[in-house]
Amino acid sequence: AQSVAQPEDQVNVAEGNPLTVKCTYSVSGNPYLFWYVQYPNRGLQFLLKYITGDNLVKGSYGFEAEFNKSQTSFHLKKPSALVSDSALYFCAVRLYSSASKIIFGSGTRLSIRP
Amino acid sequence: NAGVTQTPKFRVLKTGQSMTLLCAQDMNHEYMYWYRQDPGMGLRLIHYSVGEGTTAKGEVPDGYNVSRLKKQNFLLGLESAAPSQTSVYFCASSPIPGELFFGEGSRLTVL
Repeated sequence: AQSVAQPEDQVNVAEGNPLTVKCTYSVSGNPYLFWYVQYPNRGLQFLLKYITGDNLVKGSYGFEAEFNKSQTSFHLKKPSALVSDSALYFCAVRLYSSASKIIFGSGTRLSIRP
Repeated sequence: NAGVTQTPKFRVLKTGQSMTLLCAQDMNHEYMYWYRQDPGMGLRLIHYSVGEGTTAKGEVPDGYNVSRLKKQNFLLGLESAAPSQTSVYFCASSPIPGELFFGEGSRLTVL
């Protein structure tokens, strides 16, 4: 079955330290991958996407993500965390078999301590 | 600057009642989606539409129906609500599949 997994329910990082939020996928064909962020009581907001090309993609708010085909991963990263980065992060994949279906992972809560 | 608007934002139903959630987008997007969000389960796709007059099933379509009679509107219906349908429902639209624009959510409680 085609799916996307976020193995960590919660990630805790000190402000100023680098952060990584992990995502792995299992899809047929070439994946289209996305990261979204959700702040409390809000809808999700698009952060970045990988379609093709450079394996390192840059997005909003200083976030970037690295696509690794051999490890089927698309980890979200930021060199220096801010307290305001604390939120719920979702990885998503566009299914090859049905190009209109977008499937989300279970989410990772990122907590940045001052 | 409306973007994607969902109504109502909150609703409490009794088991067996019916209701409709309305999603409206003013960005002329072709693709529209309904998701439900439950703790620990992320977002699960209920139904989606690739254009006016079309609908398709997602991951968890049972108990829900949808209609897209106008390009800007995507309706999600519950014919006979069940407690298992207590959730937060999100609508999203997209010019192309993937980069989704979400509404603020509709919190539904079924007693």
